[in-house]
Formats: sequence, C-alpha cells, structure tokens
Amino acid sequence: IRMTQSPSSFSASTGNRVTITCRASQGISSYLAWYQQKPGKAPKLLIYAVSTLQSGVPSRFSGSGSGTDFTLTISCLQSEDFATYYCQQYYNYPYTFGQGTKLEIK
Amino acid sequence: QLQLQESGPGLVEPSETLSLICNVSGGSISSSSYYWGWIRQPPGKGLEWIGNIYYSGSTYYNPSLETRVTISIDTSKNQFSLKLSSVTAADTAVYHCARLNSLGYYFDYWGQGTLVTVSS
Repeated sequence: IRMTQSPSSFSASTGNRVTITCRASQGISSYLAWYQQKPGKAPKLLIYAVSTLQSGVPSRFSGSGSGTDFTLTISCLQSEDFATYYCQQYYNYPYTFGQGTKLEIK
Repeated sequence: QLQLQESGPGLVEPSETLSLICNVSGGSISSSSYYWGWIRQPPGKGLEWIGNIYYSGSTYYNPSLETRVTISIDTSKNQFSLKLSSVTAADTAVYHCARLNSLGYYFDYWGQGTLVTVSS
C-alpha cells in the first residue's frame, strides 16, 4: 500500500493552524498512525487508529479521516512542533510510511 | 519506562552481513501484548519497515528484503536481533528497533537508532 503525504514541506508561523494530508493507495480502514521526528532523534508516536492521541501528546494535535484519506492537524503551532511528520498504515503487511512532511519555521 | 537500545558495528563491508542487537529494558520482551520490530532510514530519506518478531519467534518480513533478512529473539537476555546479508551501499541507513502494540501494530516505543554505513 502506497502512502502519499502532502505537502512534502512547507513553512508556517507559531500560532498557525496547519493540516497535513496522507492518502493511501487503497482502503486501510482506521489502521493509520502519525509520527513526529526531529533531526537526529527517533520518531515519536503522536496518533494511532486515525484519531487516538498517544499518552502525553498535547491536545493541539488531532487526526481525522477514514478509508483512504487522512489528515493531521496542529491547531496552534508551537516552536517545538517544527519537525518532520510521517503517516504509517498498519492495515496489512508490508507496513508502509508516507514520504514525510517537513514543517519549517516561516 | 521502557527503553530500547540498538548496538552493533557502524561500518560493514559490501557483500557482508549487517548484524544489530536491540536491548530492551524497563519491560519484558516476553509479553504477549507486543511485537518487536526493525525500521530503517537512509540518510535524508524516509522510513522503511524491515520486519517484526513475536516473543514466540514468529516473524514477518518486508518482501523487498525477505531473502536477506533474519530477525531473532532471545527472551533470556531480553533482546532481539537483526541480520541483513549481502549488503550494498543502498543498505546504508539509521536502523531503529521499536515496539509494536499488538492492539494495533503501530510503533509506540523506539530506540534512538544506530547508523550503519556500508563501505569498503
């Protein structure tokens, strides 16, 4: 299953609301996760099952979607949110990730 | 707090076998609630799932790597390992080990990763 994220990169300012899109090449039900990765660090699980926030993740992060189209929204960007974000399907093997969306400071 | 730590050679020669170990602390690798996996990330690129293993020894591999990959588990040492044979420069990457929650098979804990360079 191919996972396609858009945009690949973009710039935003703190306080902005941003949305990242992830599209699956076939239906994946609700088996979608989102990760945040900062340079030199391991990815961090943000959201699983499309919209369930991992423990400790701020409520400004939210996820939505179903079937093939999904979104990650950050309601009010903070300085620590500038990172690369990946979606991942775990509907079936092989698990696949999107190519990543790099969020940079404007 | 669960911690995963990868270890192994940082440099492997072409055609040789890459071998890494993931040591798990703060939790039991024998829990029936989790799988354990490997993911890699070539420099400046995205994430690629390599494979998973269950405490029983059941494995699942990415078909793109299946002929060259072996993942094994040692419950007595609370660790699992990765072997990738016949490596080329294309296998140069940061290799992460991670835990998968068996409720959904997403990766909820990750090791910091170790860079393996394939070069002579």
